[in-house]
Amino acid sequence: GAVVSQHPSWVICKSGTSVKIECRSLDFQATTMFWYRQFPKQSLMLMATSNEGSKATYEQGVEKDKFLINHASLTLSTLTVTSAHPEDSSFYICSAGKAANNYGYTFGSGTRLTVV
Amino acid sequence: EDKVVQSPLSLVVHEGDTVTLNCSYEVTNFRSLLWYKQEKKAPTFLFMLTSSGIEKKSGRLSSILDKKELFSILNITATQTGDSAVYLCAVSTDSWGKLQFGAGTQVVVTP
Repeated sequence: GAVVSQHPSWVICKSGTSVKIECRSLDFQATTMFWYRQFPKQSLMLMATSNEGSKATYEQGVEKDKFLINHASLTLSTLTVTSAHPEDSSFYICSAGKAANNYGYTFGSGTRLTVV
Repeated sequence: EDKVVQSPLSLVVHEGDTVTLNCSYEVTNFRSLLWYKQEKKAPTFLFMLTSSGIEKKSGRLSSILDKKELFSILNITATQTGDSAVYLCAVSTDSWGKLQFGAGTQVVVTP
């Protein structure tokens, strides 16, 4: 149980364009999902908490107008990187889970974004 | 400010050696501590620890939590080259899955 699917696995886009990344919980309902970013050789940094039916909660220093999060259903959260720039190139990972799950919190497979 | 500190940052061992990784934490609302293994892509779950002194074991990997001293260790015995990865420690501070990660320990196992 607790399978999280993330698409796309990798994407290359031009500067100034927007990219949407999807995160789906396949076998459970997730009222809350999390978006992380990981730069090369660094750890995962939480960007925002995605809440179903309400606004996302962003961590300090993360621009909410640049990283748009939509959690329209109990199984889908999307992260849109708007007007992407090369410095947004990174590995983006979502996670979701159940609080009482002995298997912890499951991560999606991640999205490697390269902005050229 | 919540902190999760892992040590060492990296190490190189020979196949068959035993490895001990450390994770200490200072957080305001501790719920659980988790260990993940990350190779090329997203982290894969290893252990979730909530109670002190109870060792969790999976094959050659084991982990234990000390909530009094605020740390956890992850042991890997009889290491294999397939154990080469970054091992991440994370602390959960709410019931929904928000995690604060340490910087990770890069483990390289040489043949």
